[in-house]
Amino acid sequence: GAVVSQHPSWVICKSGTSVKIECRSLDFQATTMFWYRQFPKQSLMLMATSNEGSKATYEQGVEKDKFLINHASLTLSTLTVTSAHPEDSSFYICSASRDRGSQETQYFGPGTRLLVL
Amino acid sequence: EDQVTQSPEALRLQEGESSSLNCSYTVSGLRGLFWYRQDPGKGPEFLFTLYSAGEEKEKERLKATLTKKESFLHITAPKPEDSATYLCAVFNDYKLSFGAGTTVTVRA
Repeated sequence: GAVVSQHPSWVICKSGTSVKIECRSLDFQATTMFWYRQFPKQSLMLMATSNEGSKATYEQGVEKDKFLINHASLTLSTLTVTSAHPEDSSFYICSASRDRGSQETQYFGPGTRLLVL
Repeated sequence: EDQVTQSPEALRLQEGESSSLNCSYTVSGLRGLFWYRQDPGKGPEFLFTLYSAGEEKEKERLKATLTKKESFLHITAPKPEDSATYLCAVFNDYKLSFGAGTTVTVRA
């Protein structure tokens, strides 16, 4: 159990367009979902934390107007990269935890590779 | 701010050649130290959680240990399928902070 999926796995887009990435918990309800970004040969960096039904909490330096996060249900969170630019090209990974009391136990999705031309 | 440093950056091993990976950390209020395996183009796969100094956990050829300042991931008699990037992360009050990882390549 505890499977997290992401869609799409790969996306290539033109500069200035918006891209939406979905993160789903397939066999459990995720009260909290996390979005990370990973550049080549670098560590995963937390972008934001979202709890179902409330606004996401963004890490320092992450533009909330550029990276829109919606966590409308207990099994789905979306990340929209608005007006994407080449510097937004990265590997985006989501994770989910079952309850707020154990947020350290996170189940990771397979990641989405974004390439902005 | 929490810091996690992993060494070495890369490790090339011959099949059967045991070795250790290091993760040193500084964190206020450690609520767990995590080891993950990440294959190219994939998300992290959970391996171990350690909570207190002196704790050890094992899984097949992997063994993780924890002290107050660092953790080690020992790989015993590795096989080519153990080739991956191994990530260490610490959890404080609300988030996981990751190291940059150690990329292990095991040659047959």
